Amino acid sequence: DTGVSQDPRHKITKRGQNVTFRCDPISEHNRLYWYRQTLGQGPEFLTYFQNEAQLEKSRLLSDRFSAERPKGSFSTLEIQRTEQGDSAMYLCASASGQATGELFFGEGSRLTVL
Amino acid sequence: GQNIDQPTEMTATEGAIVQINCTYQTSGFNGLFWYQQHAGEAPTFLSYNVLDGLEEKGRFSSFLSRSKGYSYLLLKELQMKDSASYLCAVLNTGGFKTIFGAGTRLFVKA
Repeated sequence: DTGVSQDPRHKITKRGQNVTFRCDPISEHNRLYWYRQTLGQGPEFLTYFQNEAQLEKSRLLSDRFSAERPKGSFSTLEIQRTEQGDSAMYLCASASGQATGELFFGEGSRLTVL
Repeated sequence: GQNIDQPTEMTATEGAIVQINCTYQTSGFNGLFWYQQHAGEAPTFLSYNVLDGLEEKGRFSSFLSRSKGYSYLLLKELQMKDSASYLCAVLNTGGFKTIFGAGTRLFVKA
């Protein structure tokens, strides 16, 4: 399967713990996005990478959230000191270099903070 | 600011036609997407419009009016499998950022 893959698919953690999600995009895609989605809502933009450069980060994102894409391939999203409000589906998407390229989403990582 | 509005829910009958509307106000515009998302699954691409007019793709068509900040997705010959959320999304200029609406949940009944 050459689609976008995310790991883990599900994560249950206690409030205050740190969690990390990984995303492997489609290999030839140089653009990578992280979104967060809660029930009944559309995906909310978190951050965007072009190759290894993080070009935009949502102003809604607190300092507890950090994302990296060290070699321009896979990416990680870390949430420090998790809060119950962080419970959501974290979606990764990749796209080709075309400015109008569609997003290809992974299956998501569902986070539950107890 | 950025605002994308679409109805929360719609219900239609199998075999019928349904139109899902979307209005948007964004700081920049480089095209509009429609995505389909089945419950518990990732969104998948349906259509992209950057110029005014209608784009047809099989049972699905999408329309855009840039001057009105308006789009619609038209689904013909509805099937039960079309029950899903339909997400309207706008691509901003410059930053390659796609902003999504809250989605419209479509229920197709027999």
